[in-house]
Amino acid sequence: DAGVIQSPRHEVTEMGQEVTLRCKPISGHNSLFWYRQTMMRGLELLIYFNNNVPIDDSGMPEDRFSAKMPNASFSTLKIQPSEPRDSAVYFCASSFRGGQNTGELFFGEGSRLTVL
Amino acid sequence: AQSVSQHNHHVILSEAASLELGCNYSYGGTVNLFWYVQYPGQHLQLLLKYFSGDPLVKGIKGFEAEFIKSKFSFNLRKPSVQWSDTAEYFCAVNAGNTDKLIFGTGTRLQVFP
Repeated sequence: DAGVIQSPRHEVTEMGQEVTLRCKPISGHNSLFWYRQTMMRGLELLIYFNNNVPIDDSGMPEDRFSAKMPNASFSTLKIQPSEPRDSAVYFCASSFRGGQNTGELFFGEGSRLTVL
Repeated sequence: AQSVSQHNHHVILSEAASLELGCNYSYGGTVNLFWYVQYPGQHLQLLLKYFSGDPLVKGIKGFEAEFIKSKFSFNLRKPSVQWSDTAEYFCAVNAGNTDKLIFGTGTRLQVFP
């Protein structure tokens, strides 16, 4: 079984550039999450979708951040314009919510972003 | 709002020592509780989870956790740690009727041979 697939694994960019991170959830999962991990703040939930619909985006730090899920097998997290303080590892995770099976997240390998 | 507290930020042990990592959460209703592990340079993986039933939950690699509802706690234990347990450990909680999983700040465990 393929797990959650994220790309790119590493990205180095300059301040002001647009960054797009991509995620393919596990097939059959109906919830998708974007987390950001930094030394200072740990793991922060940015946004999550259920059945491709954004449910809670209260963790999105600013208008520079946006996320989309055009279909059940693909999501993007975009930062425009990027700033050095956005440097972090961004994790995508998916889960299946239904009946008694709820809550367990499966994480991707993460996208390490460095903004110079 | 839900929150998760992990009071031990950094734990250093020798192999064969016993481990207990604390986790407390704040939420008055039904919760699902998790421990995830992140080995150096890797993504998070599930160690164990509690949804309902027996409050003593056994996970992979000899880990277990006990849900004590009256204390809002879900501490992680292992009777004898190994060098390969060196990792960061995250406690997480979500309310029973949502998907939103809130993580603690993590505990970094270092095990020396």
